[in-house]
Amino acid sequence: GENVEQHPSTLSVQEGDSAVIKCTYSDSASNYFPWYKQELGKRPQLIIDIRSNVGEKKDQRIAVTLNKTAKHFSLHITETQPEDSAVYFCAASKAAGNKLTFGGGTRVLVKP
Amino acid sequence: GAVVSQHPSRVICKSGTSVKIECRSLDFQATTMFWYRQFPKKSLMLMATSNEGSKATYEQGVEKDKFLINHASLTLSTLTVTSAHPEDSSFYICSASTGRGSSYGYTFGSGTRLTVV
Repeated sequence: GENVEQHPSTLSVQEGDSAVIKCTYSDSASNYFPWYKQELGKRPQLIIDIRSNVGEKKDQRIAVTLNKTAKHFSLHITETQPEDSAVYFCAASKAAGNKLTFGGGTRVLVKP
Repeated sequence: GAVVSQHPSRVICKSGTSVKIECRSLDFQATTMFWYRQFPKKSLMLMATSNEGSKATYEQGVEKDKFLINHASLTLSTLTVTSAHPEDSSFYICSASTGRGSSYGYTFGSGTRLTVV
């Protein structure tokens, strides 16, 4: 089955700096790659996603890149703010109705 | 957008008792519901996939007799933790597949914090 690896597990950045989180996946049939932000005790909140027919997607300070050949995708957060502090998860899926496999998570701390 | 309502949000039960968690899709029909468990500071681990009207598919290592899943209608899926023990204490969250074709996605319930004492 699908295996999603995520790095780093923790990331500390200074406010205003950029944060980058990387994920690799194993199943070349995967075609949907969402990123979630989760705060303690809350549900995962979708912040951006990308599908396999696109190489890059941007939404204000957040961007995601996808390299299908290498089977990895990355989350980029620019101009980080303290409210960006949370746990971020990458995930992968290969079709509607198929399970979503999560990476191990990255705890991001933005220091003011 | 698609909304999944999950109840209860938190529950405390005694060892040996059973607890039922409900997830309802409010404005769409959830053909497939996924049940995840999340331990503190860990990732979401898929427990089982339920499809309306059929038996759930459990992930390796998940006891189907302990975690009973029912998906009797297109708007309701339930997870019952039977004979709960302290090691079952965790955050349980459901997720429904939404959309179809190339525009599919997922929506999550708000989660249930289960504490077994």
